[in-house]
Amino acid sequence: DIQLTQSPSFVSASVGDRVILTCRASQSISYLLAWYQQKPGKAPRLLIHSASSLQSGVSSRFSGSGSGTGFTLTISSLQPEDYATYYCQQVHSFPRTFGQGTKVEMK
Amino acid sequence: QVQLQESGPGLVKPSETLSLTCTVSGDSVNNYYWTWIRQSPGRGLEWIGCVYYSGYTSYNPSLKSRVAMSMDMSKNQFSLTLTSVSAADTAVYYCTRDNTDYWGQGILVTVSS
Repeated sequence: DIQLTQSPSFVSASVGDRVILTCRASQSISYLLAWYQQKPGKAPRLLIHSASSLQSGVSSRFSGSGSGTGFTLTISSLQPEDYATYYCQQVHSFPRTFGQGTKVEMK
Repeated sequence: QVQLQESGPGLVKPSETLSLTCTVSGDSVNNYYWTWIRQSPGRGLEWIGCVYYSGYTSYNPSLKSRVAMSMDMSKNQFSLTLTSVSAADTAVYYCTRDNTDYWGQGILVTVSS
């Protein structure tokens, strides 16, 4: 199975900060990675698919990059509504796997 | 617009079987992979498995011995059964269309006597 490791586990940031989250795969998954945002009590929301493609309706302050085993999610200017937990998921093969999540907290 | 809705009991006794159904509207289950994902309180997302209309299934190895998924194309539904549940199976269970933004709202299932 493909393991995904996200870092850091927690980020303390202020509104307007640039935030970079990383996700590393245990083997190459090409570009087959998705990023989700989850707020308490809500289902996850797809932000990025295929490593760098912005999901329809998602703010352009979110961007994704990477391929192979290393990926990043960047929030260019953190907004109050961006405080949440972010998960990466590999869609290269079954079983699908998620990273353990990164929680973005208010500084 | 594609919508998914989980249904089933919110309380299951230890050692019994958890059974959930996902009803899909706005799309046909005859395409795509349909998945179940769960999230224990305060924990991350755990992929349980998926089912395809051909009958193909794939399961999380950690749950494989207790999980089964199936599809009812006449009702446009797919389902999950998890046997021999324990408190560790208490979670919000989501049904989704694989690799999309189509998720149900989630259903909390508590395992308790």
